[in-house]
Amino acid sequence: GQNIDQPTEMTATEGAIVQINCTYQTSGFNGLFWYQQHAGEAPTFLSYNVLDGLEEKGRFSSFLSRSKGYSYLLLKELQMKDSASYLCAVRDSNYQLIWGAGTKLIIKP
Amino acid sequence: GAVVSQHPSRVICKSGTSVKIECRSLDFQATTMFWYRQFPKQSLMLMATSNEGSKATYEQGVEKDKFLINHASLTLSTLTVTSAHPEDSSFYICSALTGGSHTEAFFGQGTRLTVV
Repeated sequence: GQNIDQPTEMTATEGAIVQINCTYQTSGFNGLFWYQQHAGEAPTFLSYNVLDGLEEKGRFSSFLSRSKGYSYLLLKELQMKDSASYLCAVRDSNYQLIWGAGTKLIIKP
Repeated sequence: GAVVSQHPSRVICKSGTSVKIECRSLDFQATTMFWYRQFPKQSLMLMATSNEGSKATYEQGVEKDKFLINHASLTLSTLTVTSAHPEDSSFYICSALTGGSHTEAFFGQGTRLTVV
């Protein structure tokens, strides 16, 4: 079956760095997405990786290793507003998005 | 980035009535749109894939007669919850795929449905 694994919850301190991991087993691979979702709101797009390596966008970076079925989202200089759930999703060979359960990130002052 | 508008954002309806939720891609054409349902503290659950001009593809366990999906144009897909019951109360979210070689999925704002 298809499976996306990411930690259920993480806690970090304001101003620090946090890495959220995502491992996947899917039937085919056509890109990996990271989304941010605040409580009660729809997810918002953060990043897209289809080739191995690191994609950097300001305070957020996303890394992909296709051979290992692994990605991480790196958040730097954490702010209180970064408290949210972070969803990892993989597009499979049928171009369907397979979703992880999300990682709830709690930022403490 | 691309904009997807979902309407209404909140709706309360009586048990037995039907509710229509609209999903519009405002600045791009979306041949494919997805409808999701999300329960509190749970991940997005794909309900169906909607392709313009053809019948929607429903995921296993989703009743197609209860959740009617219409994708009549390249910018509009609708989800109608028919004969709603309290257990249909949930957060419904649509997303639309952009085209081209670097396709991305953008989400609507979501609709909080409460059936009383």
